[in-house]
Amino acid sequence: ETGVTQSPTHLIKTRGQQVTLRCSSQSGHNTVSWYQQALGQGPQFIFQYYREEENGRGNFPPRFSGLQFPNYSSELNVNALELDDSALYLCASSFSGQGLKEQYFGPGTRLTVT
Amino acid sequence: AQSVTQPDIHITVSEGASLELRCNYSYGATPYLFWYVQSPGQGLQLLLKYFSGDTLVQGIKGFEAEFKRSQSSFNLRKPSVHWSDAAEYFCAVGAGYAGGYNKLIFGAGTRLAVHP
Repeated sequence: ETGVTQSPTHLIKTRGQQVTLRCSSQSGHNTVSWYQQALGQGPQFIFQYYREEENGRGNFPPRFSGLQFPNYSSELNVNALELDDSALYLCASSFSGQGLKEQYFGPGTRLTVT
Repeated sequence: AQSVTQPDIHITVSEGASLELRCNYSYGATPYLFWYVQSPGQGLQLLLKYFSGDTLVQGIKGFEAEFKRSQSSFNLRKPSVHWSDAAEYFCAVGAGYAGGYNKLIFGAGTRLAVHP
């Protein structure tokens, strides 16, 4: 059973550019959630995807968008990058179905915007 | 508003000493509660969770937590700390809709240092 994987591990972008982060969910999971963790803070919920549809969104502007693919992997896209977007971006997968299930996190992608 | 408070930003304990990390939550419905641990530069690892039932829950690595509804608390404990427990600990509440959750609301974290 493979865990949650994310790519790339690190990347550096310039203000105004666009970035795409990728997440492969854990085997058997059908739901992916994205979180932003700024330095020294707890993670903040960006959005969740279930069955390729957005299933809840946090307080993030529309330039943060996502996709979920039929194999349940997911992408997070951020347009018009700002300096404050520098953070660790965490992906979490879970199974939505019968009963409550916990979310399992990947190692994260460290984004630096200069 | 839904929120999680971890009153202690930084805690230092000696190896072998007991540990208690505090967590208070504000949530109107039945809370689904979690503790995660994060080592430097890493993702989050689930230590334990509370959904319902017995208010004392056991987790991995010898950790336990007790849900106290009257105090809106979910404190994490360990009877004897090991040097490898040094990390950042996050308490979270699951929120989003009745009977379930689609997002985790995290506290700001407690950084644990362990003296030899």
